[in-house]
Amino acid sequence: GAVVSQHPSRVICKSGTSVKIECRSLDFQATTMFWYRQFPKQSLMLMATSNEGSKATYEQGVEKDKFLINHASLTLSTLTVTSAHPEDSSFYICSATAGALETQYFGPGTRLLVL
Amino acid sequence: TQLLEQSPQFLSIQEGENLTVYCNSSSVFSSLQWYRQEPGEGPVLLVTVVTGGEVKKLKRLTFQFGDARKDSSLHITAAQPGDTGLYLCAGDYRTGNQFYFGTGTSLTVIP
Repeated sequence: GAVVSQHPSRVICKSGTSVKIECRSLDFQATTMFWYRQFPKQSLMLMATSNEGSKATYEQGVEKDKFLINHASLTLSTLTVTSAHPEDSSFYICSATAGALETQYFGPGTRLLVL
Repeated sequence: TQLLEQSPQFLSIQEGENLTVYCNSSSVFSSLQWYRQEPGEGPVLLVTVVTGGEVKKLKRLTFQFGDARKDSSLHITAAQPGDTGLYLCAGDYRTGNQFYFGTGTSLTVIP
């Protein structure tokens, strides 16, 4: 199957700093990428849908100015957590799809800890 | 808003027992997927069901999509310790291929 990578796998940062997480589709062109957040022992919550070359669509309750998403190419989307706070500590997972009705392939996730 | 409710939330059983996990919603889904997730990893797709009433089998796992495409079930026969993990259903009901995940079922199979 298709491979999606995330970098970094783990990151620890100080409160108030910004953190960038990369999501790459390694062997296919991803027209759409999705960003999820998962708190311990909870399910995945969709944060935003990212289409290459256009602005991301954010789910209700997700602050677009805090979670900046850039989908600059068909193989890369980035999520930047701006002015991170301890409550932003979570497991962030991306997925990518080659097109509508196509299978989503998930990345391995990024563990963010804000001190 | 969690559109998909899973039950039970937690399940601990002995090796060899059977179990069923339910995924229910008030919305109609175009398709529904089941995933299994290990701690610290991304979810892994088990199956996709698209037709109301559809039944799919994957070794000891049987998946069923409700006739009205609002609910689904996952049945595991003769559970093994390797089945331990978080089981998630996810459905799409809007254009754009967004999937919304269920509340999750944490399964522990005790040897």
